[in-house]
Amino acid sequence: AQKITQTQPGMFVQEKEAVTLDCTYDTSDPSYGLFWYKQPSSGEMIFLIYQGSYDQQNATEGRYSLNFQKARKSANLVISASQLGDSAMYFCAMRENTGGFKTIFGAGTRLFVKA
Amino acid sequence: GAVVSQHPSRVICKSGTSVKIECRSLDFQATTMFWYRQFPKQSLMLMATSNEGSKATYEQGVEKDKFLINHASLTLSTLTVTSAHPEDSSFYICSAGQLHYPYNEQFFGPGTRLTVL
Repeated sequence: AQKITQTQPGMFVQEKEAVTLDCTYDTSDPSYGLFWYKQPSSGEMIFLIYQGSYDQQNATEGRYSLNFQKARKSANLVISASQLGDSAMYFCAMRENTGGFKTIFGAGTRLFVKA
Repeated sequence: GAVVSQHPSRVICKSGTSVKIECRSLDFQATTMFWYRQFPKQSLMLMATSNEGSKATYEQGVEKDKFLINHASLTLSTLTVTSAHPEDSSFYICSAGQLHYPYNEQFFGPGTRLTVL
């Protein structure tokens, strides 16, 4: 069964500094995708970045990068140059590519950016 | 990205009544839609997966008779919470799936906050 673990319930970062949000996963499916979403207080889920299990390079999207270590089954999100607007809940998610594309989510990490 | 809407965005109802939540994909056809529930300060929990024209697949522990899902068209899925009780109060989020290389993309609606009095 697939499983996603986020061990940091809350994180603080100083504005303009970088921060890493941890995520580990477990799956027996060789083909899967890893996602990070941001959920501000409004509740909407905002897609940030995607990493496929067969991708050789780490994904990057602007200030977001995904540190993908397949052997360790980790997919940490790195946010560079944090901004006050980055304060939100962040969820790591995984989708196995066989048997439909059901996505499961980790418990989430609340990020607080300090001025 | 594609747009998914939900209606209503917020609903308050009395205990024992039924509430219907609509999820629409506005600019694409979604072969699969997902329904999630999120309690305060918790993660999204998948309730069910619905495919157009067929019965929904419910996750373990989710009562199919209480949470009725209908996916009658490629752009609309509905979730009906029957005989709602205060413990059903939650944030319900739908997502719609679209096959798109290189990955099956999933777009989320803005959510519906249900409060049962």
